[in-house]
Amino acid sequence: DTAVSQTPKYLVTQMGNDKSIKCEQNLGHDTMYWYKQDSKKFLKIMFSYNNKELIINETVPNRFSPKSPDKAHLNLHINSLELGDSAVYFCASSQSSWTGGKMDYGYTFGSGTRLTVV
Amino acid sequence: GENVEQHPSTLSVQEGDSAVIKCTYSDSASNYFPWYKQELGKRPQLIIDIRSNVGEKKDQRIAVTLNKTAKHFSLHITETQPEDSAVYFCAAIPSNAGGTSYGKLTFGQGTILTVHP
Repeated sequence: DTAVSQTPKYLVTQMGNDKSIKCEQNLGHDTMYWYKQDSKKFLKIMFSYNNKELIINETVPNRFSPKSPDKAHLNLHINSLELGDSAVYFCASSQSSWTGGKMDYGYTFGSGTRLTVV
Repeated sequence: GENVEQHPSTLSVQEGDSAVIKCTYSDSASNYFPWYKQELGKRPQLIIDIRSNVGEKKDQRIAVTLNKTAKHFSLHITETQPEDSAVYFCAAIPSNAGGTSYGKLTFGQGTILTVHP
């Protein structure tokens, strides 16, 4: 039973198209993220939602728009795709809470979506 | 914001040798430091973590050490095996005075570890 699942796994599309990636987690976590991993393997945060509220919005072109219909789902819509958008996009979730004075973080990543723009 | 530097970028060892990966961070408010392993074509997976109130943590062949004064932490893998070959990432989370940072992990650049049989 996959904890964080994202679809599709592969996405090949032409420049200028609009595409969406979907993510769902069944861990009961309250926070979800989108990370972008470029060709050099660097992992950079794009967005984060806590209980459906956008809390992190890094310097990302406004062609990228996240949507969280509920705390178990976080989707990423990309308009007017460009060649530079080609990367692997990872969804992740965590429970960001204080437990007895200690933070209890545990990131679980989805399997990734390899986006190729041609 | 937080900045995490990771070295070396590539590390090649013989099976059975030890491997050490080092990271430094900039934000003294950071208090949680996880390490992730990413095999080729797979997702990053948490392998060990350490909190700022602990100096060292071990789990079988892997260990992590933390020096808060110097703002650096390291991953140690002993008796390396070919299946340890992967990209390893360190990360750090700062928190504000209220104790909440919503888990914004800042990752190091990654270390490609190759273990030769």
